[in-house]
Amino acid sequence: QSVLTQPPSASGTPGQRVTISCSGSSSNTGSDTVNWYQQLPGTAPKLLIYSNNQRPSGVPDRFSGSKSGTSASLAISGLQSEDEADYYCAAWDDSLNGRYVFGTGTKVTVL
Amino acid sequence: QVQLVQSGAEVKKPGASVKVSCKASGYTFTSYYMHWVRQAPGQGLEWMGIINPSGGTTTYAQKFQGRVTMTGDTSTSTVYMELSSLRSEDTAVYYCARKLLGESALDFWGQGTLVTVSS
Repeated sequence: QSVLTQPPSASGTPGQRVTISCSGSSSNTGSDTVNWYQQLPGTAPKLLIYSNNQRPSGVPDRFSGSKSGTSASLAISGLQSEDEADYYCAAWDDSLNGRYVFGTGTKVTVL
Repeated sequence: QVQLVQSGAEVKKPGASVKVSCKASGYTFTSYYMHWVRQAPGQGLEWMGIINPSGGTTTYAQKFQGRVTMTGDTSTSTVYMELSSLRSEDTAVYYCARKLLGESALDFWGQGTLVTVSS
C-alpha cells in the first residue's frame, strides 16, 4: 500500500553518518515537497524535516534533508543512540483525487 | 502549546463501528486541516483522509471511501473519525495529525488510539 520506496533498514555506529533514500514518482515526490517523520518505539510519529530540507524548531541540525527529481534523502550525521527509530518519508500525491502518501519506512539501528 | 488529545482504546467486534475523537488546543482550531493516519501492528503508516474543520470538507483515501466519516465540532475544537463495518484488519493505532499551514507536512500528532477488532 505504500507508494514511496525506502530501504527497510540502515545502521551505523555512534558518530557515523547514515543516509536514507526515498523514491517516488511524478505525482508525489516529483510535484510536492518531501517530509520526513521519526517514530521512536511505542510513540507517535514526529515531524523531522518538512519542505524537503526544513527543520522544525527543536530538531537537531544533524538531521538534514534533500530532494532531486522524484527522489529524496534524509541524512543523520553524528549518529546517536537516541536516533534508533523508524523513519518515514511522505508527500502529497495528486492522483486519485489527492492523497497523502508515506514511504515504506526505514528502521535505523545504532550498532 | 499545541496539543491533540485522543480518546481511549476501544475493543470492537467485527461488523461494528468505532468513533475516535481528537481534541485540539493551543491554536485556532478552524485555521488548520486535520489528517487521520493509522498504523497496524508492526506495519507502516497509512493515510486515511483529511478534514477542514472550518466548513467540514473532507477528502478520504480511496481504500476507506464508504466506510469512513470525518467530522468536526468547532464548539469543542474536536475532530472525529468514524470507521464502520470493522474487520480484523482494521486493528491498528489511529492518529490525528495537524497539517502545517502552507505545507503538506503534519506538524503535530495525537498520542494515538488503539482500536482492536476481535470476535
